[in-house]
Amino acid sequence: DGGITQSPKYLFRKEGQNVTLSCEQNLNHDAMYWYRQDPGQGLRLIYYSQIVNDFQKGDIAEGYSVSREKKESFPLTVTSAQKNPTAFYLCASSIGQGVTEAFFGQGTRLTVV
Amino acid sequence: GQSLEQPSEVTAVEGAIVQINCTYQTSGFYGLSWYQQHDGGAPTFLSYNALDGLEETGRFSSFLSRSDSYGYLLLQELQMKDSASYFCAAPNTPLVFGKGTRLSVIA
Repeated sequence: DGGITQSPKYLFRKEGQNVTLSCEQNLNHDAMYWYRQDPGQGLRLIYYSQIVNDFQKGDIAEGYSVSREKKESFPLTVTSAQKNPTAFYLCASSIGQGVTEAFFGQGTRLTVV
Repeated sequence: GQSLEQPSEVTAVEGAIVQINCTYQTSGFYGLSWYQQHDGGAPTFLSYNALDGLEETGRFSSFLSRSDSYGYLLLQELQMKDSASYFCAAPNTPLVFGKGTRLSVIA
């Protein structure tokens, strides 16, 4: 079955450590996105990529980094520069520009301890 | 830039009808989409309007008026399982969401 997979589901990180969240899709989608969601809040765009080897900053990119070396993979690294990283992170993919429907992974809940 | 505004919370009675509004300001308009998200879960796609008018999918309908930069999601015959957050989204590049409306269905 086609879909988008995030791992791990729960992640704990010590302050000062970098951590990488995985996002893989087998939908053959060109575009991929990372969003951050805080309790009771909406979806804020961190980074997005429309094509392999290219990505763009979203509204809250500071303290995060991404790569897009393969079409199916779009990992997100939360660096120590992100001052408040505890949140729910969602990865999504879509066919491309002007997308009418995006598909989401089940999310990774990151907690800094 | 793009912005989408929607009410933060709505409460409705089981079996009733509820309307969730969304006003938007976007460049390069491609229509309006709606997503549902249950607590702790992933957003799932509900509907998309490219043109003015009403689109119906079962108990859910979505409306768009491009001249008014306005749309809404209409939920009929509300059920307890409809309690969730609902997001409008502008399917431009990048994909941007409103802050979401939390719907509580009460008995």
